[in-house]
Amino acid sequence: EDQVTQSPEALRLQEGESSSLNCSYTVSGLRGLFWYRQDPGKGPEFLFTLYSAGEEKEKERLKATLTKKESFLHITAPKPEDSATYLCAVQAEFSGGYNKLIFGAGTRLAVHP
Amino acid sequence: DAGVIQSPRHEVTEMGQEVTLRCKPISGHDYLFWYRQTMMRGLELLIYFNNNVPIDDSGMPEDRFSAKMPNASFSTLKIQPSEPRDSAVYFCASSRTGGETQYFGPGTRLLVL
Repeated sequence: EDQVTQSPEALRLQEGESSSLNCSYTVSGLRGLFWYRQDPGKGPEFLFTLYSAGEEKEKERLKATLTKKESFLHITAPKPEDSATYLCAVQAEFSGGYNKLIFGAGTRLAVHP
Repeated sequence: DAGVIQSPRHEVTEMGQEVTLRCKPISGHDYLFWYRQTMMRGLELLIYFNNNVPIDDSGMPEDRFSAKMPNASFSTLKIQPSEPRDSAVYFCASSRTGGETQYFGPGTRLLVL
């Protein structure tokens, strides 16, 4: 069964304290791995897509990496405005034109000044 | 460009009442998805459409839930009759193709008393 597990469930950081969020997955043929950010009361906001092991993407203080079994979202020198829930989702190989997104439960990140 | 638009943003209703949630996808997107988010189960796919046609409704919890997409710019998710366990945030998302990034709306927060 396709599955996505995110850890930790919650993470508290001091401003400037770098850390990483983990997304481990089991899927029959990964087509893509997506990272989203969700602020309270809002919809998930797209951050990155990774397609193959070894791929990396960066955006400001965020860097996403992918291996064959997991992805990491590295946060360098975080600021309070980086506080949010970060969601990971995977797409499996498909037939018929659609890849179902399977979401993890998310990591709630709180960055304190 | 306007993103995915959902209405209402908040809905409070009494058990047994009919609830209709509305969604306008991003123009040019051929796929539309309805999700439900709860603390216990996270983000769950309910149903998705391709070119206005429902493709997979296996995530719809029961017959009380129905969804329609009468044209490329409008979809509804209806719950009749509503029950307290339907209380959740309902998101609509759209993508240009089945394999591309899904963009989420702001969600409708539903409370059934």
